[in-house]
Amino acid sequence: SQQGEEDPQALSIQEGENATMNCSYKTSINNLQWYRQNSGRGLVHLILIRSNEREKHSGRLRVTLDTSKKSSSLLITASRAADTASYFCATLNQGAQKLVFGQGTRLTINP
Amino acid sequence: DTAVSQTPKYLVTQMGNDKSIKCEQNLGHDTMYWYKQDSKKFLKIMFSYNNKELIINETVPNRFSPKSPDKAHLNLHINSLELGDSAVYFCASSPLGSSSTDTQYFGPGTRLTVL
Repeated sequence: SQQGEEDPQALSIQEGENATMNCSYKTSINNLQWYRQNSGRGLVHLILIRSNEREKHSGRLRVTLDTSKKSSSLLITASRAADTASYFCATLNQGAQKLVFGQGTRLTINP
Repeated sequence: DTAVSQTPKYLVTQMGNDKSIKCEQNLGHDTMYWYKQDSKKFLKIMFSYNNKELIINETVPNRFSPKSPDKAHLNLHINSLELGDSAVYFCASSPLGSSSTDTQYFGPGTRLTVL
């Protein structure tokens, strides 16, 4: 069954603004990962946050994890046109051997 | 130097045909996966192999048969193609099969269109 659910499904902002995407999941996890998919391309790993971590940074990316609410957010600061892509969260559930992906948030950065 | 490569990139075929998609990774990873992404962008795992052994086999019609000749290759053969098989198929690899730090590396995808 689908685990992560991203919100919103689509987001359109102006270049330079910050973009926030949310992911909710249902069961206990080992880690949660965010991936980016440019149109017509494969997924690229962005960042991984473990279940015992609350926040992680990588360049302009900031990920938070709230295991009590079973949710995560991905913040992209100072957005650029090149950030236009679909963003997926994926959870590695406890005891499982597979990642379960959500349906993604389609982010459009307008110049 | 492509890390995970798939061939072909596009595949257009008639219903009822049999086709194969090939995947190779040069990362030295132990585990490889096949995913299907439907028209709504929903990405779902189909199979995974760890060092040539099948470890995940989701509820996939038995018309789909993965084959791993060695740990660097995982091919997907599809028999008797149906309209509903139209999708983008992604191959991926990761260093270890069951690890709390498993990042997956994806290929560019194969867009399969069944007419």
